[in-house]
Amino acid sequence: AQSVAQPEDQVNVAEGNPLTVKCTYSVSGNPYLFWYVQYPNRGLQFLLKYITGDNLVKGSYGFEAEFNKSQTSFHLKKPSALVSDSALYFCAVQDTGRRALTFGSGTRLQVQP
Amino acid sequence: KAGVTQTPRYLIKTRGQQVTLSCSPISGHRSVSWYQQTPGQGLQFLFEYFSETQRNKGNFPGRFSGRQFSNSRSEMNVSTLELGDSALYLCASRDRGHNYGYTFGSGTRLTVV
Repeated sequence: AQSVAQPEDQVNVAEGNPLTVKCTYSVSGNPYLFWYVQYPNRGLQFLLKYITGDNLVKGSYGFEAEFNKSQTSFHLKKPSALVSDSALYFCAVQDTGRRALTFGSGTRLQVQP
Repeated sequence: KAGVTQTPRYLIKTRGQQVTLSCSPISGHRSVSWYQQTPGQGLQFLFEYFSETQRNKGNFPGRFSGRQFSNSRSEMNVSTLELGDSALYLCASRDRGHNYGYTFGSGTRLTVV
């Protein structure tokens, strides 16, 4: 069975500083990995995905993620954080049947002005 | 393109009642999935439909059911509501091409009293 771990409940960073939100996964076969962001009382917004190819994936709003197969990680990064980036971030893996998404528990990102 | 539309946005029901939630996917998307989001359990997969057939089902009791119509619109039904069914219910549609990404709606917030 597949699983996703987001070890940090909350990440605090000052505006303008780089941010990293961590994610590790466990899945049989080649993983499909995703990052989503959720703002209060809203659904999930897609940020980026890794299917195959380059290990560095670029996504929306200046976010990127690095796929590391040996460490089974898919950390989300941004070079310079904005206050508007404050939200709940979810990492997800798609199973070998390419059907259901399994989500991590989420990491709340707080960017201080 | 219009996004994934979920109705209603908010719903209050009494224990023991039943409820039906609706989801209209992005035009051309034939796969619709449902997820339940709660503070305690996080995001959990309910089921997925493709071309009116349930393709995958999560670990929820039989009180939770769904269906998909020929126009790809989907409904989920919860019978004999319990307090623990209070949650944000998210619908996602998927393009069956190389994208493999899900687009989520804003959700229906169900409160059971």
